[in-house]
Amino acid sequence: DAKTTQPPSMDCAEGRAANLPCNHSTISGNEYVYWYRQIHSQGPQYIIHGLKNNETNEMASLIITEDRKSSTLILPHATLRDTAVYYCIVRGNDYKLSFGAGTTVTVRA
Amino acid sequence: ETGVTQSPTHLIKTRGQQVTLRCSSQSGHNTVSWYQQALGQGPQFIFQYYREEENGRGNFPPRFSGLQFPNYSSELNVNALELDDSALYLCASSLGGLNTGELFFGEGSRLTVL
Repeated sequence: DAKTTQPPSMDCAEGRAANLPCNHSTISGNEYVYWYRQIHSQGPQYIIHGLKNNETNEMASLIITEDRKSSTLILPHATLRDTAVYYCIVRGNDYKLSFGAGTTVTVRA
Repeated sequence: ETGVTQSPTHLIKTRGQQVTLRCSSQSGHNTVSWYQQALGQGPQFIFQYYREEENGRGNFPPRFSGLQFPNYSSELNVNALELDDSALYLCASSLGGLNTGELFFGEGSRLTVL
């Protein structure tokens, strides 16, 4: 599995955009970038995924660089409920998700 | 709410005992996978079941075993419990076996081994 590198933690002000970086320099052409988050004491929650193009849904936007070696998850208007561990995962035609340590995001009032 | 339910939510066992954890998948999902999450770490893949057959396994010893039933619910069994088996055990359901469909996770079963 391709590995990802994320900062261990970051803070964000409530109401501001949160930009979460992820490096995946060894990603292969058929591998997707997935983002999940895990709020304390709950199971991981799917956020978004993409292959090449930028993606947006009701939760977030995913920006993937042209060389696909890095991506950014954007939470447009962070709320206190967005405090969680965010996992960036590279996944191919495979059945499993390989979670790293993730980024602990703390949204402050 | 993902529609994936796990039981029990918490349990305590002693070393050497056996444990069975249960998972009901989201309606219509035919694939169930299990993950182990130790404190402070990301979830680690244990195995996956598709249409009642194990079709993928992570780096876990044979004392971790599972079942999937015709209604696609699943069990995780762990024999000869060790202290390091203390963790949150997560079940996830999805549709389609080996494809890259979104996984829906339950809230987990927290196992403490004393």
